[in-house]
Amino acid sequence: AQSVSQHNHHVILSEAASLELGCNYSYGGTVNLFWYVQYPGQHLQLLLKYFSGDPLVKGIKGFEAEFIKSKFSFNLRKPSVQWSDTAEYFCAVKGDSWGKLQFGAGTQVVVTP
Amino acid sequence: NAGVMQNPRHLVRRRGQEARLRCSPMKGHSHVYWYRQLPEEGLKFMVYLQKENIIDESGMPKERFSAEFPKEGPSILRIQQVVRGDSAAYFCASSPQGGKTEAFFGQGTRLTVV
Repeated sequence: AQSVSQHNHHVILSEAASLELGCNYSYGGTVNLFWYVQYPGQHLQLLLKYFSGDPLVKGIKGFEAEFIKSKFSFNLRKPSVQWSDTAEYFCAVKGDSWGKLQFGAGTQVVVTP
Repeated sequence: NAGVMQNPRHLVRRRGQEARLRCSPMKGHSHVYWYRQLPEEGLKFMVYLQKENIIDESGMPKERFSAEFPKEGPSILRIQQVVRGDSAAYFCASSPQGGKTEAFFGQGTRLTVV
């Protein structure tokens, strides 16, 4: 069965620090990859997505992610976080041959002033 | 273009009652997904539907839970004889098709069973 793993459940960092969140998936076929963010009390919003092409994907709010096929990974990065980046971040995978969007457990990120 | 609309936003039910959660996908979207979110547990896939068809219900509990997406009208997630453990946030998402498309999420319905 397909699965998505996020390495950290909680991350605490200071403003201006760099952020990297790990995401690995288990599926051998063609995948479509996503990072979603959920701000406190809100619904999920798409940060960025990868379907094909350049494995380095840029999203909104200064976030980027790199798809490394050989490592089955799609890590999220931001060079300098802000207090407003405090949120829960979810990695998600959807295979070309199966329709459901499979989520990781999420990473709660807290940015301190 | 209105986003994915879920109602109600909050629903309180007594144990043993039925809960009906509604999801209207974005205009032009024919694919709907339902997820359950519990604190510290992330998003759990429940069911994936297209118009009038259940494509994948591998995440649905075998009893008491059902979902439909009729030709006309919203998608409905129905929970019969609710128990305290059903208390959670239920999110619906829609996409125009499967495969290489993103899913757009609704605001969710927070179900509380008392």
